[in-house]
This record gives sequence, C-alpha cells and structure tokens, in this order.
Amino acid sequence: DAKTTQPTSMDCAEGRAANLPCNHSTISGNEYVYWYRQIHSQGPQYIIHGLKNNETNEMASLIITEDRKSSTLILPHATLRDTAVYYCIVRVVNAGGTSYGKLTFGQGTILTVHP
Amino acid sequence: GAVVSQHPSRVICKSGTSVKIECRSLDFQATTMFWYRQFPKQSLMLMATSNEGSKATYEQGVEKDKFLINHASLTLSTLTVTSAHPEDSSFYICSVGDSHFYEQYFGPGTRLTVT
Repeated sequence: DAKTTQPTSMDCAEGRAANLPCNHSTISGNEYVYWYRQIHSQGPQYIIHGLKNNETNEMASLIITEDRKSSTLILPHATLRDTAVYYCIVRVVNAGGTSYGKLTFGQGTILTVHP
Repeated sequence: GAVVSQHPSRVICKSGTSVKIECRSLDFQATTMFWYRQFPKQSLMLMATSNEGSKATYEQGVEKDKFLINHASLTLSTLTVTSAHPEDSSFYICSVGDSHFYEQYFGPGTRLTVT
C-alpha cells in the first residue's frame, strides 16, 4: 500500500474548520484514501473514505485532488472532542470490490482543538 | 457501523503468566477480525488477521506461539498472551471488517500491564 505523509501536529480553534492535509503521491489506481481518528486511550474510529470523488458524511468532508496525490480531511466545525490523532491511510481495493482488509497506520496528525 | 467490545478493558498480570483478551462483535457476524498492538506514543501495528474457523495469519515478526488467536465463532475472537513479560505491556485493539472490508470497526482496546 502507498505511503502517506501527514504533518505531525496541528492546532485549531473551537468552532472553526479543521483542515488536515495528507500527501499520498505514490497512490495507485486501485487504492482508496481512508481517514480514521484515535482519541486518547481508545480504539480508532472510522471517519470517511473515498477513491477520487469528494465525499461528505455527518462527521467530515474528504477532498481528493484531481491527480489523487493528496487529500484534505475537513472537520467543518471543530469541537474540543475532536482533539485526537488523525490517520490518513491508503488501501488497496481489488477489482472484485473486496479489499485486502489490512490497514497500515502511520504516525498520523495530532489535532488539538483549543477553546 | 458495527459495535465491537473487548474484555477486559485493563488487566495487570505477573511475568510468566498468560492472559486472555476477548473481542466480540455485538451486532455483526465477522468472518474476519484483526488484532493490533500499540505501544505508548506509537502507532497501531497489525499483529494478525483472525479468520473464523481457520488459523490466524500473523504479521512478520509476531510470534504465533506467544500470541494465540482463536476465532471459534462469527462474533468472538480471543487473543491469549502466553508467558507474558514486561515488554508485552501494551494496548491491544481488535477490529472487525464489514462484508467488503470497506470499513473496519475497532474495539475500545485492552490495556495490558505485565509486572
């Protein structure tokens, strides 16, 4: 699976949008971009995933560049409870639509939301 | 998404003893579960993939005789750390995948401390 690069840490003011970048310049055509987050001492939580189109759900939006070499996770109105480590992961999905299942976690971005 | 529980949430054991960690998929029949380990201030590392009714697949460097995995039913997988040592102290997290593994749902984790 392609490697991702994320900033080590970011700050965001409560109520503002948090924009978390991820670089995945070696991504291949059958790799999806996934985002998870991990609040301290808890298991990771799935946020969103996408292939090439922008995606939005109740938690966040995912913006993928046209060349798919980078993406941005957007938390539109960050709250203190969004303070966590955010992981950007690229993951193969095979032609049959069933992924290989493995998630390879990097170091992620520590997002701190402050009052 | 699927609800995943782990038991116990915390365990302290003495060096040389064995400890069993349970992972339950409460509302989803999981043919495949995953076990991760996370040391302090580090990222999650996949230890093994647990397949219902068959042997687990271990990642390189993970001792299969030390970390025994049993996946006897579609809702339960267990990880037994045998002859635990202080260096096995870690946060152990399981996850289950949906039918296409597009998403993985993680348990809350088990904090193991070996004294």
